[in-house]
Amino acid sequence: ELKVEQNPLFLSMQEGKNYTIYCNYSTTSDRLYWYRQDPGKSLESLFVLLSNGAVKQEGRLMASLDTKARLSTLHITAAVHDLSATYFCAVDTSQGGSEKLVFGKGTKLTVNP
Amino acid sequence: KAGVTQTPRYLIKTRGQQVTLSCSPISGHRSVSWYQQTPGQGLQFLFEYFSETQRNKGNFPGRFSGRQFSNSRSEMNVSTLELGDSALYLCASSRMGHRINTEAFFGQGTRLTVV
Repeated sequence: ELKVEQNPLFLSMQEGKNYTIYCNYSTTSDRLYWYRQDPGKSLESLFVLLSNGAVKQEGRLMASLDTKARLSTLHITAAVHDLSATYFCAVDTSQGGSEKLVFGKGTKLTVNP
Repeated sequence: KAGVTQTPRYLIKTRGQQVTLSCSPISGHRSVSWYQQTPGQGLQFLFEYFSETQRNKGNFPGRFSGRQFSNSRSEMNVSTLELGDSALYLCASSRMGHRINTEAFFGQGTRLTVV
């Protein structure tokens, strides 16, 4: 059974600082997704990583995927308060054309002024 | 373009009752997936429908069921509700499903409270 582990689960950081969230998964997959969730809200897609070595950047967030190490990272550069949210990684375990995402527990990020 | 619409947004039910939740995907999207989100278990996959067929199912008891209509709208049903079914139920739509390099868009969710 596929397991997806994120760490840290809670992250409190100061504005302007950098930090990385890690997402490890237990079986082979070449598709990984990062989502953001604000309190009481739904999931917003941030990045779709589809191959080994994929790197995507949007604003202060950059995501990468290493399928050999079964590791994805979400790097935050010069954090601002607006980035406070819970971030989830999800691994695609689909077979035969169907889709099934297995999510990590999420990292609750708080950016303090 | 309209997003994924879930109705109702909030629901309170009593143990033993049944409930039906609805999800209208983005126009043109044919895949609808359902997820349950709880503080203890996190986000868990329930099932996925494509062209009115269930293609994949998660590890949930048979009390959880779903269907998809010809217009791609989907419903999920939970019978004999238990307190532990209290959760945020999210549906996601995608054009063909993740395997075809498409992105999934999530609805706002239905918050179900079982008392």
